[in-house]
Order: sequence, then C-alpha cells, then structure tokens
Amino acid sequence: GAGVSQSPSNKVTEKGKDVELRCDPISGHTALYWYRQSLGQGLEFLIYFQGNSAPDKSGLPSDRFSAERTGGSVSTLTIQRTQQEDSAVYLCASSLGGELFFGEGSRLTVL
Amino acid sequence: GESVGLHLPTLSVQEGDNSIINCAYSNSASDYFIWYKQESGKGPQFIIDIRSNMDKRQGQRVTVLLNKTVKHLSLQIAATQPGDSAVYFCAEGSGYALNFGKGTSLLVTP
Repeated sequence: GAGVSQSPSNKVTEKGKDVELRCDPISGHTALYWYRQSLGQGLEFLIYFQGNSAPDKSGLPSDRFSAERTGGSVSTLTIQRTQQEDSAVYLCASSLGGELFFGEGSRLTVL
Repeated sequence: GESVGLHLPTLSVQEGDNSIINCAYSNSASDYFIWYKQESGKGPQFIIDIRSNMDKRQGQRVTVLLNKTVKHLSLQIAATQPGDSAVYFCAEGSGYALNFGKGTSLLVTP
C-alpha cells in the first residue's frame, strides 16, 4: 500500500485476554518499529526490526509483550494477559533509514 | 537514561503569527533530530529533520534550528494557519534509535 497500515484501528478487550495488533509496513522498507503512546504522552519505544537481524526488544515493558516480523514485511505485536495499564495507542512505523513513516495506530482499551 | 523534553507543553498563537516550539535534549551523542506533527486520532507525520553537522534547515513555512552547545532544538512555523493546530514532537537519536519527547500542543486561534 501507499502507507503503513495497522489493524485493528480500535480494540476493546477484557483484562486477562490476549490481543494481537498487526502492522503492514510500506513495501520495501527494511526497518519496522513499534511504539506505544499513552494518553497525552510521548512515544515510548517498544521494539525495532531491521531486515534479517535480531530485533532490538529493549523497549518491551514486560514478558507479556512480544512481536514478530514474518518474511521481513508484516509484523504482529502480541500482548498476553492484558492489564488496564496496557491501554494505549500502539503505533507502527517503517523506514528505509532516517525518516519514520507512521501508521494511524491501534487504540487498545483494556476494561 | 537520556531524555528529550519540551519547554512548553501548550502554545496558543493567533492565525498569521509565527510559532516557535522548543525542545531540549540531553544525549550529546545524538546526530539526527526530527520534528513530527500529530493531529488528533492520527499517527505522527514527518515535518522536517536536521543532522548534527547543520544548525539550521528550512522547509516550506518551517525552519528547524539546532544549537548543539546548549542541546536545544526549535521548530519555527511562519504564518501559522488553523491547520497547523496539532501536537508537535521532537525526536533525537543516533543510528536507528529515536527518542521522542512528550510533545507540545499548538493551538491556532482565528
């Protein structure tokens, strides 16, 4: 597609359930990032993928969070046993180096 | 750890005036700086960037100034328009790692 696509755009779940968030980066972009944005806050780095290299997972807040990137393209961010503090907008971005192109985000609400 | 922060959390300007949004950073190793604009319900959009070997860069109605001596970054918007109302984030980094500030909300009043 023309831009970074994320789904779902909105997700409401119950505490303790698992959720999966999907990101389709811009075709050809080798770098892919996940960020988390809580209400009124800046962007918190979660994880970075670059080509076939091992991802930088240093931003993942707990072992309930994991992410995969299959075939160097689509990425899935999984949150297991969701907690209320996981409620936020999860932003995906892709890049060829330098400027990051962001998707519209997936808004997660944990009840 | 290193941090990026903004001097003003909110800024209100009149349409047609110039806006200046400031940002302080603390990582002296950062060599790349970016400004993003985020409108309500949307993802951040790239505005302008600057490398550490420059101190000024101009775009269309926007100018970024970098003062490495005091680790300060600013975004100037000329002739601010209602469509400029948004949250503006600065980000600094080196290599692939980008560290974002909390953002400044710019409100343009008619």
